[in-house]
Amino acid sequence: SQTIHQWPATLVQPVGSPLSLECTVEGTSNPNLYWYRQAAGRGLQLLFYSVGIGQISSEVPQNLSASRPQDRQFILSSKKLLLSDSGFYLCAWSVQGTTASNTEAFFGQGTRLTVV
Amino acid sequence: LAKTTQPISMDSYEGQEVNITCSHNNIATNDYITWYQQFPSQGPRFIIQGYKTKVTNEVASLFIPADRKSSTLSLPRVSLSDTAVYYCLVGVPMDTGRRALTFGSGTRLQVQP
Repeated sequence: SQTIHQWPATLVQPVGSPLSLECTVEGTSNPNLYWYRQAAGRGLQLLFYSVGIGQISSEVPQNLSASRPQDRQFILSSKKLLLSDSGFYLCAWSVQGTTASNTEAFFGQGTRLTVV
Repeated sequence: LAKTTQPISMDSYEGQEVNITCSHNNIATNDYITWYQQFPSQGPRFIIQGYKTKVTNEVASLFIPADRKSSTLSLPRVSLSDTAVYYCLVGVPMDTGRRALTFGSGTRLQVQP
């Protein structure tokens, strides 16, 4: 069966420090991968999505970046965190291809990031 | 992208049926309609998906009228554990996967005892 792992679960970082959040998927190949951010009490904001190794699309301009060094690994990074980067970060995957199944997404447990 | 509109919040009581309607006036021919549930501090969870008419699973039913410009998620006999945010998504299965996973603000359902 497919599983998605995201870590760490919580993180407190000072302003200006770097960030690296990692997400890995098991049990599937060539998935679509996504990074979302959710501010407190708000909806999900799509940050990045990837359809393959080295292929990253960004939805919003920001000081965050994403990389996909391996098929089932998706990394969210920042060189210098801002206070506004605080939030709940979620990684997700979906099946790739032209079928209804890839409108179903599977989410990790999330990382709650607090920038202080 | 087909934009969706949902009520911001709804209140209900245990044992009642809850219907959450989502408007998607610009839905495209190939778009599917998908609903997710999210509890606090957790990732969203897939509930149900449909293209037209009615779809039912062990959790909910999804009603889609012939014009497909709206859809209604029906939760039978809700319990306190159904308190969550419910998202309606409209998108087409594509290689990019992008359109399928653009979330709106969702509907915050509060179930009272």
